[in-house]
Amino acid sequence: GNSVTQMEGPVTLSEEAFLTINCTYTATGYPSLFWYVQYPGEGLQLLLKATKADDKGSNKGFEATYRKETTSFHLEKGSVQVSDSAVYFCALSDSTGGFKTIFGAGTRLFVKA
Amino acid sequence: EADIYQTPRYLVIGTGKKITLECSQTMGHDKMYWYQQDPGMELHLIHYSYGVNSTEKGDLSSESTVSRIRTEHFPLTLESARPSHTSQYLCASSANGDRERAFFGQGTRLTVV
Repeated sequence: GNSVTQMEGPVTLSEEAFLTINCTYTATGYPSLFWYVQYPGEGLQLLLKATKADDKGSNKGFEATYRKETTSFHLEKGSVQVSDSAVYFCALSDSTGGFKTIFGAGTRLFVKA
Repeated sequence: EADIYQTPRYLVIGTGKKITLECSQTMGHDKMYWYQQDPGMELHLIHYSYGVNSTEKGDLSSESTVSRIRTEHFPLTLESARPSHTSQYLCASSANGDRERAFFGQGTRLTVV
């Protein structure tokens, strides 16, 4: 079945540091891939998405590239801010999973001033 | 950005009580979901629906039940709440197709005492 694996957290960085959160997936079809962010006390918000191989999703300085050959969708940001502190979820959706969205376990990010 | 609403945001209730968590969306989405989020952040799909009169169990077994009588409404009911039901419950919806992202409500934090 479909699944998503993310790096375990928490990840603690200083402001302006480079961020990478690893995400790999298993899917029998050709999934769409997503990164969602959850701020404290809130629901999830879409951060970025990519719908086919080699697509790059980007938003608010975050980027992720859909790598079919390595089945990966790693999240990166060149310079994090304190306001980026949140939980980040990698997710996929595809037709063989009935279009259900499958989430990774989440990675908590702390950014220190 | 999201037009999906959950009520209540917070609920503290005694053991044995019947409760209904409300979820409504105004986007005309056919697909709706309930996720349970544990303290470790991981999201577990407990129910989903592909449209009116369609409901399915998710990947995590749950004692709750759902109904989908109207497109916009997807309530979750616990007939007899127990302390083990204490958790955060997130409702989501999406349009048809595997390219569509999910929209999330703000969540209901349930505490059963």
